[in-house]
Amino acid sequence: EPEVTQTPSHQVTQMGQEVILRCVPISNHLYFYWYRQILGQKVEFLVSFYNNEISEKSEIFDDQFSVERPDGSNFTLKIRSTKLEDSAMYFCASSFRTGDYGYTFGSGTRLTVV
Amino acid sequence: AQKVTQAQTEISVVEKEDVTLDCVYETRDTTYYLFWYKQPPSGELVFLIRRNSFDEQNEISGRYSWNFQKSTSSFNFTITASQVVDSAVYFCALSDPYSGAGSYQLTFGKGTKLSVIP
Repeated sequence: EPEVTQTPSHQVTQMGQEVILRCVPISNHLYFYWYRQILGQKVEFLVSFYNNEISEKSEIFDDQFSVERPDGSNFTLKIRSTKLEDSAMYFCASSFRTGDYGYTFGSGTRLTVV
Repeated sequence: AQKVTQAQTEISVVEKEDVTLDCVYETRDTTYYLFWYKQPPSGELVFLIRRNSFDEQNEISGRYSWNFQKSTSSFNFTITASQVVDSAVYFCALSDPYSGAGSYQLTFGKGTKLSVIP
């Protein structure tokens, strides 16, 4: 069964460093998403991406975040200057269409900022 | 604004008991989609079910069943004859067009942690 692949599974970084979280969505999917889950809390929407541009972003997704689809298969989330509060599980998801089709989530990248 | 409430933070049951996880949602739209996800201790999100607002039929899949009631804005999830492997955090989520610019982002509840004791 097709799956969304995220790498790395766990990343530790020093505060102030830049990190790039990588995702390979399902190949025929058109919509891509990043969600975040701070430990023990609910999953929160960060950003959606369609047709090579951001279609929607939450208030969490400030100027230190950016997304890119550099080569038609990867979908990346960059955090420019990490803060302690960026420590969380980051989930990538993709879908063929919006609404009723549903999402496929990756297994997540646990980011720890020290 | 859309909102999903899972009032039960944690539930513990003894194996083989039935358990119902509650989910209440708020949305101003007539077209929306409801989801349940399971998050085992390993951390991934496992899709369980998707239901659109026009389909109020209850659904059963093995030991799992879902009760969708638009009149009370609830989408409850029942596990029959629970097993230790059911121990996880369960999230209810809502997707509707008013959550954003048409991309149908998911709004999650805070989750219910289910512990099934052998």
